[in-house]
Amino acid sequence: DIVMTQSPDSLAVSLGERATINCKSSRSVLYSSNNKNYLAWYKQKPGQPPKLLMYSASTRESGVPDRFSGSGSGTDFTLTISSLQAEDVAVYYCQQYYSTPRTFGQGTKVEIK
Amino acid sequence: EVQLVESGGGLVQPGGSLRLSCVVSGFTFNTYTLNWVRQAPGKRLEWISYINSGSNAIYYADSVKGRFTISRDNAKNSLYLQMSSLRVEDTAIYYCARENIDGDYGYFDVWGRGTLVSVSS
Repeated sequence: DIVMTQSPDSLAVSLGERATINCKSSRSVLYSSNNKNYLAWYKQKPGQPPKLLMYSASTRESGVPDRFSGSGSGTDFTLTISSLQAEDVAVYYCQQYYSTPRTFGQGTKVEIK
Repeated sequence: EVQLVESGGGLVQPGGSLRLSCVVSGFTFNTYTLNWVRQAPGKRLEWISYINSGSNAIYYADSVKGRFTISRDNAKNSLYLQMSSLRVEDTAIYYCARENIDGDYGYFDVWGRGTLVSVSS
């Protein structure tokens, strides 16, 4: 199984400041035949289901604000919130869909400082 | 509006059985792969099962293989998860999730609100 590890486990950022979440996979999730990274990011608020933010590591899902961006390739990925808003307080998960079982990171809790 | 609505959760004793349902609306059900994903209290999300549109490709996580059975009824726009030999560690919120294909594999683009399964004596 591909193990997904996020860092940090939690972070507190001031409103308007940048938040950066890292995700590392134990094996590459880059599919060589199409050069796509099979890596997604989700946001989960308390009591709610996860919501898709990003797929293919850096493609924003429709409706997701452009302050969210994804980067990285192979085994190392980053989700960046360029200017943190109050509604961004949540737990963020990365997930690989390169192989079954699909696996998730442990989550990163983002709070307001 | 695209919607997935789970039901069937509840309290069950260890060793018992439960059948979860997920009713879908707002998209062409029989063209999408669907999954079950669960989340134990305070834990990370855990994918547990996959079924493609034609029900001819089915996969399970090792943690549920042999105990859980996924199925779907395209005529009823419904996804199911038959759970048996339940264990305390199966306690979780169970989500159904639609898979959107990206190349050969897919990410989960729409999720239901989940149904809570509690396994306890």
